[in-house]
Amino acid sequence: KAGVTQTPRYLIKTRGQQVTLSCSPISGHRSVSWYQQTPGQGLQFLFEYFSETQRNKGNFPGRFSGRQFSNSRSEMNVSTLELGDSALYLCASSLTGNGETQYFGPGTRLLVL
Amino acid sequence: DAKTTQPPSMDCAEGRAANLPCNHSTISGNEYVYWYRQIHSQGPQYIIHGLKNNETNEMASLIITEDRKSSTLILPHATLRDTAVYYCIVRVASGYSTLTFGKGTMLLVSP
Repeated sequence: KAGVTQTPRYLIKTRGQQVTLSCSPISGHRSVSWYQQTPGQGLQFLFEYFSETQRNKGNFPGRFSGRQFSNSRSEMNVSTLELGDSALYLCASSLTGNGETQYFGPGTRLLVL
Repeated sequence: DAKTTQPPSMDCAEGRAANLPCNHSTISGNEYVYWYRQIHSQGPQYIIHGLKNNETNEMASLIITEDRKSSTLILPHATLRDTAVYYCIVRVASGYSTLTFGKGTMLLVSP
């Protein structure tokens, strides 16, 4: 079974732009969670989607948003990019998000200049 | 979710067993112990998890003390490719629970 895939793997943007990242979960998994990893803050939870609905949200500004499609694929969007948004963005999938193991994708490395 | 404490770094010789400790003294009865590792700039990789019994899979063994206040991840024959940051995470067994990552243990396997 294929693992979690994320596209693109690397991205360079400039301040003020917006960016959309994509995540395809493991086949059959319906819960997708997003995390941000920076050297200073470590791995932090952004939000979780299940059945096209955001169920949980971390402590991030409204510039960070996401959505999930009927095939469980998910996208996250960051608007009005800031230098501090430079990070590794990770998504993880699980069957239903109800206590099962989460499996991570390789991440998207975003650099904001 | 209960907090965990791990040493910031450990060294291990290639071919030897690597024993990574984790303290989780405030763990609740319905919380699992999970281990993930992250090789530089890659996504975290799931290793193993357990509730109270010792667990073993093809990657590692997990030993949980009887009082569940600490655990040890054992890589029986460490290789250079096991060099990574290892995270010990406690999370509830049901309902959605985000994975709360601490700083983990940087394991360096040397020839």
